[in-house]
Amino acid sequence: GENVEQHPSTLSVQEGDSAVIKCTYSDSASNYFPWYKQELGKRPQLIIDIRSNVGEKKDQRIAVTLNKTAKHFSLHITETQPEDSAVYFCAATLGSSASKIIFGSGTRLSIRP
Amino acid sequence: DAGVTQSPTHLIKTRGQQVTLRCSPKSGHDTVSWYQQALGQGPQFIFQYYEEEERQRGNFPDRFSGHQFPNYSSELNVNALLLGDSALYLCASSLFGTANQPQHFGDGTRLSIL
Repeated sequence: GENVEQHPSTLSVQEGDSAVIKCTYSDSASNYFPWYKQELGKRPQLIIDIRSNVGEKKDQRIAVTLNKTAKHFSLHITETQPEDSAVYFCAATLGSSASKIIFGSGTRLSIRP
Repeated sequence: DAGVTQSPTHLIKTRGQQVTLRCSPKSGHDTVSWYQQALGQGPQFIFQYYEEEERQRGNFPDRFSGHQFPNYSSELNVNALLLGDSALYLCASSLFGTANQPQHFGDGTRLSIL
């Protein structure tokens, strides 16, 4: 069925450490995988995305990896800072025509000072 | 460059009523998608509008309907409101009528059903 599973649901890390959030998807035709950050009471904001023809993408302290065979992708945040505290959502398109997008249930990331 | 704007920001309705929410896409975007976000959950896809037509639909009943205007703005209509319709309704705009383009979200409309 149409499903994106996201783990963990909550994550607490020490400031300066790394955080990793993992997602698995069910549709082998999925070809676009964005990650969104949503701070309390604010809109989701796209922080990084990856397409199925790429295995890894980096943008400063943020990186995303994709394993098409295993149908999972991960968000890596290095050198975490207090402003990284937020809820993070992964998402994946459905079908080869990318007809719609399904979101994971979210990970609440807290950075401990 | 104006981003995605939604109105109203908050709305309170009672069961059985009807509601209309509005969205103006980011300048240059032609595709509008609507999502329902319950507290503590990820956004759930309702439908997508492109070229003034509903192109894709999620698992939502026919009580949820929409429209896209020639200027690309969009409306979401919900009839016969239920308590379970209480949520944050998000609009996102993008390009080319597919889901594999970056989506830009608005601030949402918080709908409360009494």
